Amino acid sequence: QKEVEQDPGPLSVPEGAIVSLNCTYSNSAFQYFMWYRQYSRKGPELLIYTYSSGNKEDGRFTAQVDKSSKYISLFIRDSQPSDSATYLCAMSANPGTASKLTFGTGTRLQVTL
Amino acid sequence: EAQVTQNPRYLITVTGKKLTVTCSQNMNHEYMSWYRQDPGLGLRQIYYSMNVEVTDKGDVPEGYKVSRKEKRNFPLILESPSPNQTSLYFCASSFTSPANEQFFGPGTRLTVL
Repeated sequence: QKEVEQDPGPLSVPEGAIVSLNCTYSNSAFQYFMWYRQYSRKGPELLIYTYSSGNKEDGRFTAQVDKSSKYISLFIRDSQPSDSATYLCAMSANPGTASKLTFGTGTRLQVTL
Repeated sequence: EAQVTQNPRYLITVTGKKLTVTCSQNMNHEYMSWYRQDPGLGLRQIYYSMNVEVTDKGDVPEGYKVSRKEKRNFPLILESPSPNQTSLYFCASSFTSPANEQFFGPGTRLTVL
């Protein structure tokens, strides 16, 4: 079983929809949770970062962490065609230099006009 | 402009022919890392470096070498490439650890025949 599970999609939604992307994980030591966005033929870029449980909002993006269920979510409000990309969750147990970042396999999102 | 650069962007080579993929960052980051990205497997860390002359293995180090002689450069060396090293490679850097925001290069698409 992988440490981090993520549905690969593709997920297709109409413009303006609310999108929900999710990851589950098995390592209860994870405390730092990130979502990266990767456009085709580009490197990933950090979208939003959360520590421990709770919500974090940044514009149209909201990250939610439920440590009791080992489940994290990314919500995108008012989705736009420019949101079409692959979304990777990533998590780490500690902030130290020797820590490791474990990525999910990514969910491909397509926002249609 | 703050960036991570990789060269070459595309490379087709043959089994056993030594190659080097260069990586350079201009943000004075201490932490640098190499990942490979494969369908269904996501991003997997190959090697990382916490600072000059300090490197360590990631999850999939077999068949790869790295060096960190200068803070800005972190080349990836394949001494004797094999077809199972055909992949998309990303270099990344962050301020002190992978739990900080990582900045990714544009990727190197490697094909080993």
